[in-house]
Amino acid sequence: QKEVEQDPGPLSVPEGAIVSLNCTYSNSAFQYFMWYRQYSRKGPELLMYTYSSGNKEDGRFTAQVDKSSKYISLFIRDSQPSDSATYLCAGTQGGSEKLVFGKGTKLTVNP
Amino acid sequence: SAVISQKPSRDICQRGTSLTIQCQVDSQVTMMFWYRQQPGQSLTLIATANQGSEATYESGFVIDKFPISRPNLTFSTLTVSNMSPEDSSIYLCSDRRQGYHGYTFGSGTRLTVV
Repeated sequence: QKEVEQDPGPLSVPEGAIVSLNCTYSNSAFQYFMWYRQYSRKGPELLMYTYSSGNKEDGRFTAQVDKSSKYISLFIRDSQPSDSATYLCAGTQGGSEKLVFGKGTKLTVNP
Repeated sequence: SAVISQKPSRDICQRGTSLTIQCQVDSQVTMMFWYRQQPGQSLTLIATANQGSEATYESGFVIDKFPISRPNLTFSTLTVSNMSPEDSSIYLCSDRRQGYHGYTFGSGTRLTVV
């Protein structure tokens, strides 16, 4: 079992839709969770960062972590064509420098 | 925001040869990391490079195949040695400025081995 599982998609939605991206993880020691956005031929850039369980909101983006079910989510409201990218979830445990990534979900927002 | 410059951005290499990838960061950082991103696979950590010490390699990666240098706090290189087509991948360097929200990635080196 992979430590972080993520449906690779691809996912295609119309502009303005609410997008839900999800990952599951197996390592119960994970405490820190991130979502990265990666545009084509670019490196990943940090989008959201959360610690332990709970929600975090930043503009149109909301990250949720449910440690009881080992489930992490990213919601994008009012999606825009500029949101078209691959979204990577990642987790790590306290004291570790190693980020463990999912495979990424490729999202296309159609105008 | 942090800036990481990585070069070359892409290369096509013959099997059996080696390629050295350079990574320059815009401020002094203690920790730099090298990742591999194979098609359809997760971004995977190859090794952690601290200045003044040997790199620490993850399971499945060895120094003979992926030697790393870290001569100072702003620069690192990764060499992919004795390449085979299976080494075709994107290689990315990363650093950590502060906290778990402080990881920054370069744009990557797209390597094709023929």
